[in-house]
Amino acid sequence: GAVVSQHPSRVICKSGTSVKIECRSLDFQATTMFWYRQFPKQSLMLMATSNEGSKATYEQGVEKDKFLINHASLTLSTLTVTSAHPEDSSFYICSARGPRDYTEAFFGQGTRLTVV
Amino acid sequence: GQNIDQPTEMTATEGAIVQINCTYQTSGFNGLFWYQQHAGEAPTFLSYNVLDGLEEKGRFSSFLSRSKGYSYLLLKELQMKDSASYLCAVRDEGYGQNFVFGPGTRLSVLP
Repeated sequence: GAVVSQHPSRVICKSGTSVKIECRSLDFQATTMFWYRQFPKQSLMLMATSNEGSKATYEQGVEKDKFLINHASLTLSTLTVTSAHPEDSSFYICSARGPRDYTEAFFGQGTRLTVV
Repeated sequence: GQNIDQPTEMTATEGAIVQINCTYQTSGFNGLFWYQQHAGEAPTFLSYNVLDGLEEKGRFSSFLSRSKGYSYLLLKELQMKDSASYLCAVRDEGYGQNFVFGPGTRLSVLP
């Protein structure tokens, strides 16, 4: 199957600092990756669609200056939470469309961000 | 708009059969997916339907009716490890073909 690796799995940071989360497709090229946010006992909410070589497409209500997305290569997308606040504490998950033979999306392991 | 509905919680007994329903109203449709998610972990793929009918995969089956905007996930011979959230997701047919997820159904399997 296709493997998506997300790092770090857990991070604790102080208010006002920035945190970068990496999402890598290990054995396939992913021209499109998706970033989701999930609050406890709630479903995944799409934040943005990350496109290799172009600007990300953000969902309504998501601040693009706060959640910076960079998709510099076919195997790597990064999400940077800038000037983090406690309300940004959440579970962030990336996913990528699989290679041609796959129809489903493959998810990274998720990143538990805690802002103190 | 995008709207996907699932029951919030369900409880079933080990060894039993449970059906989790999903109704959807989306602007585009390019397949309906079911994912299983254990607490604090990433979702894992269970099944995919793009045409009407039943898809069976071991203990799991999924059904789709596109005209009714309806799907269900059927779990047979329930095991304790099946206790998890089950997410219904519709893939958009537009640019990017992103997935829109339902609220998820938390299933508790009791001994």
